Amino acid sequence: DAKTTQPTSMDCAEGRAANLPCNHSTISGNEYVYWYRQIHSQGPQYIIHGLKNNETNEMASLIITEDRKSSTLILPHATLRDTAVYYCIVRAFTGTASKLTFGTGTRLQVTL
Amino acid sequence: KAGVTQTPRYLIKTRGQQVTLSCSPISGHRSVSWYQQTPGQGLQFLFEYFSETQRNKGNFPGRFSGRQFSNSRSEMNVSTLELGDSALYLCASSHYDIGDNEQFFGPGTRLTVL
Repeated sequence: DAKTTQPTSMDCAEGRAANLPCNHSTISGNEYVYWYRQIHSQGPQYIIHGLKNNETNEMASLIITEDRKSSTLILPHATLRDTAVYYCIVRAFTGTASKLTFGTGTRLQVTL
Repeated sequence: KAGVTQTPRYLIKTRGQQVTLSCSPISGHRSVSWYQQTPGQGLQFLFEYFSETQRNKGNFPGRFSGRQFSNSRSEMNVSTLELGDSALYLCASSHYDIGDNEQFFGPGTRLTVL
């Protein structure tokens, strides 16, 4: 799976949009971009994933650049409960694709 | 629909002992993966099971083993425990073993080795 690069930490004011970037310049054509988050000492929570089109669900939006070398996770109205470590993961579509390779993630701190 | 459950939630063992952790996937999910999380190494993949067969294995010593039952429930075993095995052990389930499907994680079992 391709390697991802994320900022170590970010701050966001409550109510504002949180934009979390991820670089995956070596991504292959059959690799998806997944986002998970982990609130302290809990299991990671799936947020969203995409291949090349932008995606939106009830939690967030995922913007993938046209060359697919980077992406941005957008939390439209961050709340204190969104404080967590956010992981960007690139995962291949293969016969044994269930393995997730986690990096160090971005620690998002949402403040009042 | 109930989520992924893991038992026990907390466990304290001493060096040299062995431990068995259990994971019940979401109903209908046939793929179960295990991960170890430590402050130093982060989240690392241990192994994955699908339909009672190990499909993928991470870079861990043979002391770490697992199995999956016909009802998709899974167990992992760590023998001859070492201090460095202290970690949060996470189980994740998914509906299929391939494709763009998401994995759902359980709350984890926190193992402390003294």
